[in-house]
Amino acid sequence: AQSVTQPDIHITVSEGASLELRCNYSYGATPYLFWYVQSPGQGLQLLLKYFSGDTLVQGIKGFEAEFKRSQSSFNLRKPSVHWSDAAEYFCAVGAMEYGNKLVFGAGTILRVKS
Amino acid sequence: EAQVTQNPRYLITVTGKKLTVTCSQNMNHEYMSWYRQDPGLGLRQIYYSMNVEVTDKGDVPEGYKVSRKEKRNFPLILESPSPNQTSLYFCASSLAVNTEAFFGQGTRLTVV
Repeated sequence: AQSVTQPDIHITVSEGASLELRCNYSYGATPYLFWYVQSPGQGLQLLLKYFSGDTLVQGIKGFEAEFKRSQSSFNLRKPSVHWSDAAEYFCAVGAMEYGNKLVFGAGTILRVKS
Repeated sequence: EAQVTQNPRYLITVTGKKLTVTCSQNMNHEYMSWYRQDPGLGLRQIYYSMNVEVTDKGDVPEGYKVSRKEKRNFPLILESPSPNQTSLYFCASSLAVNTEAFFGQGTRLTVV
């Protein structure tokens, strides 16, 4: 079955430090991939997405992610974290071959210390 | 303003009392879905709809019903709620399944 793993439940980084959030998926097909962010008490907002083409994608708020097919990964990165980036981040994966189902990871909570 | 609106935002109810959570979108999106969010489990899809009168089960459909009589509305119905349905629920809509999903603000449901 399709699955999405975000290995880190919590991550704490200092403001200004770099960030990498990991996402691994298990799909037997060509996936499309998303990263969403959820601020406390809010719905989810799309940060970026990958369908095809350049494997390094740029998103909003200075985030980027790289699709690595050989590693089945889609890690999210930001070179310099701001206090306002503290939130929960979700990786989501789908594939046309698996119908119209989007599978989410369990999420990673990011804390930013000043 | 493009948005997905869920109501109510908060609901406390008793076991067995039927309830409906409404969801409406103003973007003319074909695809709508319902998720529940539980700590440590991320979002799990309950039901989705490809278009009017077309609905299908997601990963956790037991105990829920949906309908899609109009394109803009996709209500979630709990015929006989139980405490294990206490959760945070999100409605989402998108042009298609592989395009950006727009999420509502969420409905926090407590079943006692």
